[in-house]
Amino acid sequence: GQNIDQPTEMTATEGAIVQINCTYQTSGFNGLFWYQQHAGEAPTFLSYNVLDGLEEKGRFSSFLSRSKGYSYLLLKELQMKDSASYLCAVLDSNYQLIWGAGTKLIIKP
Amino acid sequence: DVKVTQSSRYLVKRTGEKVFLECVQDMDHENMFWYRQDPGLGLRLIYFSYDVKMKEKGDIPEGYSVSREKKERFSLILESASTNQTSMYLCASNIMGRSGYSNQPQHFGDGTRLSIL
Repeated sequence: GQNIDQPTEMTATEGAIVQINCTYQTSGFNGLFWYQQHAGEAPTFLSYNVLDGLEEKGRFSSFLSRSKGYSYLLLKELQMKDSASYLCAVLDSNYQLIWGAGTKLIIKP
Repeated sequence: DVKVTQSSRYLVKRTGEKVFLECVQDMDHENMFWYRQDPGLGLRLIYFSYDVKMKEKGDIPEGYSVSREKKERFSLILESASTNQTSMYLCASNIMGRSGYSNQPQHFGDGTRLSIL
């Protein structure tokens, strides 16, 4: 079966750095997405990785290792507004998105 | 910016009722999707559509149907609502790729929180 694993919840301190991991086992791979979802709101697109390596976008970076079936989202200089759920999703061989259950990130002052 | 609008943020219906959830997008996207989101589970695809009048079953289509009469509008129908369909429903859209597939980000509406009593 197809599976996406990410931690259920993480806590970090304002101003710090946090890394949210995602491991996947899917039938084929056509890219990996990260989305941010604030409570009661729509998921919003953060990043897309299809090649190995790190992609940086301001305070957020996303890393992919296809051989290890692994990705992480790195958030720097954490702000209170970063408190949200972070969803990992993989595009499989049929171009269907397989979603993880999401990681709830709690930021403390 | 892409705008995906869902007709209701909150909806309360009774068991056995026929329920309609509406979704409209304003960016001329070919693909539209309906998901449900439940605590502790990833988004689960109910149905998607890649063109007007075209539909494909997702992972959990039982108890649901869809309608896409116009490109911008995708409706989800609960034929006879049951309590296990109480959930958050999310609509999304994205652009079709040249190959007929898409690796483009999906754009989501704010969701409809549906309660079936």
